[in-house]
Amino acid sequence: RKEVEQDPGPFNVPEGATVAFNCTYSNSASQSFFWYRQDCRKEPKLLMSVYSSGNEDGRFTAQLNRASQYISLLIRDSKLSDSATYLCVVIWGGSNYKLTFGKGTLLTVNP
Amino acid sequence: NAGVTQTPKFQVLKTGQSMTLQCAQDMNHNSMYWYRQDPGMGLRLIYYSASEGTTDKGEVPNGYNVSRLNKREFSLRLESAAPSQTSVYFCASSERQPGNQPQHFGDGTRLSIL
Repeated sequence: RKEVEQDPGPFNVPEGATVAFNCTYSNSASQSFFWYRQDCRKEPKLLMSVYSSGNEDGRFTAQLNRASQYISLLIRDSKLSDSATYLCVVIWGGSNYKLTFGKGTLLTVNP
Repeated sequence: NAGVTQTPKFQVLKTGQSMTLQCAQDMNHNSMYWYRQDPGMGLRLIYYSASEGTTDKGEVPNGYNVSRLNKREFSLRLESAAPSQTSVYFCASSERQPGNQPQHFGDGTRLSIL
């Protein structure tokens, strides 16, 4: 099993739709999780951290399922400006610190 | 604040040439990172510096060297460029490492090696 896996998509959705992405990870000792978005030919930008209890930021909701070892990102009421690649990041620390990016999920929101 | 600044933005090299990619951050962050991003491969960590004076290998360090010049600056050097090093290179920084610290990225260096 790969360390961090994401469905590469592409996800094509109409404006206003709700869309969800998952990201699975293999190391049960993983301690920190983030979602980034990356626009075409731009740098990744932090979208939100993922907390154990789940967290929401406007139209975006992130959740963590430690038992099944995945994180999710839900986008409600999709906007054209949400079109981007969404990257998950998994970090585990201690003496074997490691940070791994998923390869990303491409989302296109259509008018 | 500029955040994370990378220079140059674009560069074309010939095989065997050397060059240094520069990165500076003005957020007083302790940790800095170098990544490469290739189509279908995602972002891969080349080297990181947890704090001033320390550097460690990431996932793909071969063919690269780094220098943490001071707290602000972290450079990446290609001693003898190879076509396989054609990529987009991103520098990033975070307040500290490890833990729950998000990373802030520069806008990248697009490097082509002929």
